[in-house]
Amino acid sequence: ETGVTQTPRHLVMGMTNKKSLKCEQHLGHNAMYWYKQSAKKPLELMFVYNFKEQTENNSVPSRFSPECPNSSHLFLHLHTLQPEDSALYLCASSQMSSGGTDTQYFGPGTRLTVL
Amino acid sequence: AQTVTQSQPEMSVQEAETVTLSCTYDTSESDYYLFWYKQPPSRQMILVIRQEAYKQQNATENRFSVNFQKAAKSFSLKISDSQLGDAAMYFCAYRSPENYGGATNKLIFGTGTLLAVQP
Repeated sequence: ETGVTQTPRHLVMGMTNKKSLKCEQHLGHNAMYWYKQSAKKPLELMFVYNFKEQTENNSVPSRFSPECPNSSHLFLHLHTLQPEDSALYLCASSQMSSGGTDTQYFGPGTRLTVL
Repeated sequence: AQTVTQSQPEMSVQEAETVTLSCTYDTSESDYYLFWYKQPPSRQMILVIRQEAYKQQNATENRFSVNFQKAAKSFSLKISDSQLGDAAMYFCAYRSPENYGGATNKLIFGTGTLLAVQP
């Protein structure tokens, strides 16, 4: 596979469930990101990992827990979510380098529905 | 804080015609990067074009070009010879200069413009 992949593509879960979203990048990048895309709102950055270290937590509730075991994989663990957490969750990766444009490349997203 | 505004929620263009999508931003920084992303109904966000603020020349990628007006903080996207495959949501995004080794690489997005292409 090439680029950035995400699984599952669709997920329906109850508020008491625990689930995980997976992202994998095949681009050799050193940074990965989680974004939330809700209807009628700009994409919201949730987390940033640079060289496997979390460098930003954009005031995300603790019911979202990221994990970055290596520079190619990123997870988002979900537990006790709320219906307002229903959204499209996008993963992205980039190559951070001094002076570079550092373009982010996105995966296809996971459509999450919380009942 | 930086903000990005896309004032056109929806636009429509006839096939083979030209359309311009507007984007304005607010920043106090002098150096930064601007991007246009396309998100078709399949949802994969694709980079269309990017512009470095220190470059005066407008970026061009085939049928896509930008009109970058730094003083006006305007970054519009022009699509020439529109094709049916251009139908998508288009997002304008801003990124601060990178601070390699520590700071985040945060993209700030506008709310998007939904472009319809009429045959």
